[in-house]
Amino acid sequence: DTGVSQDPRHKITKRGQNVTFRCDPISEHNRLYWYRQTLGQGPEFLTYFQNEAQLEKSRLLSDRFSAERPKGSFSTLEIQRTEQGDSAMYLCATSLGGRETQYFGPGTRLLVL
Amino acid sequence: TQLLEQSPQFLSIQEGENLTVYCNSSSVFSSLQWYRQEPGEGPVLLVTVVTGGEVKKLKRLTFQFGDARKDSSLHITAAQPGDTGLYLCAGAYSGGSNYKLTFGKGTLLTVNP
Repeated sequence: DTGVSQDPRHKITKRGQNVTFRCDPISEHNRLYWYRQTLGQGPEFLTYFQNEAQLEKSRLLSDRFSAERPKGSFSTLEIQRTEQGDSAMYLCATSLGGRETQYFGPGTRLLVL
Repeated sequence: TQLLEQSPQFLSIQEGENLTVYCNSSSVFSSLQWYRQEPGEGPVLLVTVVTGGEVKKLKRLTFQFGDARKDSSLHITAAQPGDTGLYLCAGAYSGGSNYKLTFGKGTLLTVNP
């Protein structure tokens, strides 16, 4: 399968713990995006990478959130000191440079107890 | 803040009926995508439209992009239970960050056999 993959698919954690999610893009795609989706809402933009450079972060991304894409391939999203309000589906999407169609992974569903 | 309104929010119909879902904004899109999302999964791309007035067909689905590139519609003919899902429109705004998608809240479609 050459689509976008995400790991883990599900994560249950206790409030205050740290969690890390991984996204592996479609191989030739140099743009990578993270979105968050809560129940009853469409996905909301969190952050964006072009190759290894993080070019924009949404105001939704508090100081507890950090994302990296060290070699311009896979990306990680870490949430420190999780809160119940962080419970959501975290989606990764990638696109080919210069085009705007984004292809999404299956998402990581986070539940913070 | 740019908003993208989808209507209706919920739609429950019988197999064989036709339906139309609408996506509207006060701003101009450089491109617009329609996605379908099933519970617990990421959005799956259906179509991308970029030209005002463009019409694209995907089997029983017809997508139309408004002449002014501010609105779009999705029409499904002879709906089937397999069409059940959350339909999301997402736009990249002209003149803004052309990589950041703004999503509507989605239309949750249920097709009853």
